[in-house]
Amino acid sequence: DIQMTQSPFSVSASVGDRVTITCRASQGIYNSLAWFQQKPGKAPKSLIYAASSLQSGVPSKFSGSGSGAEFTLTISSLQPEDIATYYCLQYDSFPRTFGQGTKVEIK
Amino acid sequence: EVQLVESGGGLVKPGGSLRLSCAASGFTFSVYSMNWVRQAPGKGLEWVSSISSSSNNIYYADSVKGRFTISRDNAENSLYLQMNSLRVEDTAVYYCARYTVTEPLDYWGQGTLVTVSS
Repeated sequence: DIQMTQSPFSVSASVGDRVTITCRASQGIYNSLAWFQQKPGKAPKSLIYAASSLQSGVPSKFSGSGSGAEFTLTISSLQPEDIATYYCLQYDSFPRTFGQGTKVEIK
Repeated sequence: EVQLVESGGGLVKPGGSLRLSCAASGFTFSVYSMNWVRQAPGKGLEWVSSISSSSNNIYYADSVKGRFTISRDNAENSLYLQMNSLRVEDTAVYYCARYTVTEPLDYWGQGTLVTVSS
């Protein structure tokens, strides 16, 4: 099974800061990597697929990069509405596996 | 508008069974693969199972293999998860989600809570 290691576990940043979250796969997964945002009590929401493609309707302050085994999600300018937990998902092979999640908070 | 609505959750004793349903609307259900993903209280997301559009390809997480069965009825635009031999550790919110190769898990339902407790 492919393990997804996400870091950091949590991040506290100021409004307007740039926030970067990393996801590492235990083996190469090409660009079969998606990012999701989950707010408390809500279902996850798709942000990015194919490592760097923005889901329709998602603000351009979110961006993804990487290929192979290392990927990043960047929020260019953190806003209060971005407070959430973010997850990566590999869909290169079964079983699908999520990262452990990164909780983003406002400092 | 794409909508996925789960139902069937509830309280069940260890060893018991439950059948979850996911009603789909707003898209051509029969051409999409579908997935179940769960989230234990206070924990992260865990992929549970996947079924292809024609039910030809089915996959399960090791944690549920042999106990859970995914199925679908394309005529009824519905996805199901039959859960048998339930364990305390199966307690979670269960989400159904649409899957495409290009945009995986692009739409999710609101989830249904399954609690396994004596």
